[in-house]
Amino acid sequence: QQQVKQSPQSLIVQKGGISIINCAYENTAFDYFPWYQQFPGKGPALLIAIRPDVSEKKEGRFTISFNKSAKQFSLHIMDSQPGDSATYFCAALRGSNYKLTFGKGTLLTVNP
Amino acid sequence: GAVVSQHPSWVICKSGTSVKIECRSLDFQATTMFWYRQFPKQSLMLMATSNEGSKATYEQGVEKDKFLINHASLTLSTLTVTSAHPEDSSFYICSARSGTNTGELFFGEGSRLTVL
Repeated sequence: QQQVKQSPQSLIVQKGGISIINCAYENTAFDYFPWYQQFPGKGPALLIAIRPDVSEKKEGRFTISFNKSAKQFSLHIMDSQPGDSATYFCAALRGSNYKLTFGKGTLLTVNP
Repeated sequence: GAVVSQHPSWVICKSGTSVKIECRSLDFQATTMFWYRQFPKQSLMLMATSNEGSKATYEQGVEKDKFLINHASLTLSTLTVTSAHPEDSSFYICSARSGTNTGELFFGEGSRLTVL
């Protein structure tokens, strides 16, 4: 049973556009929702994260929207740039064990 | 942010040999480290949780005798792939959790293992 479902699998956006990636989770015990960016051949890097007591968090061009009742959260990348082209993973974590459950990833391509 | 270093970044070995991958937290003490495996174009799959000074906890389906994990100090965990076979070829990534209140997780750069 996949605990964190991520969509779309791939996304192509024009430079300057908005990239939106969605995730849904099932386990209500999750209390920390990070997004990771991964470039080919590299480990994932934390991009932005949110806790369920907040509905939105913004850091620069990156925004997480969180809907606790729907058990959904999404990543918005504003003014997308070719350098943002990477694979993005949403994840969820239960604070007691710090085990991350990852979504399947979204390959983002930003065309110049 | 904190730095987690993995070594080697890539390794090629012959089938039947053992390979050791190191994961070091460079500027913080990691109470817990995690080992993941990632196949091409797939997500990260947690293999095991490693706590300093105690035995690692393996996820279901992960062979503990195949993937030996040692967390000898608060800054070092090692993963040894024993008697490696071509199907063990993968990208292995570690993460480390700091002991601070936030307990943020930091990932290493990954180690690419190719077994011939």
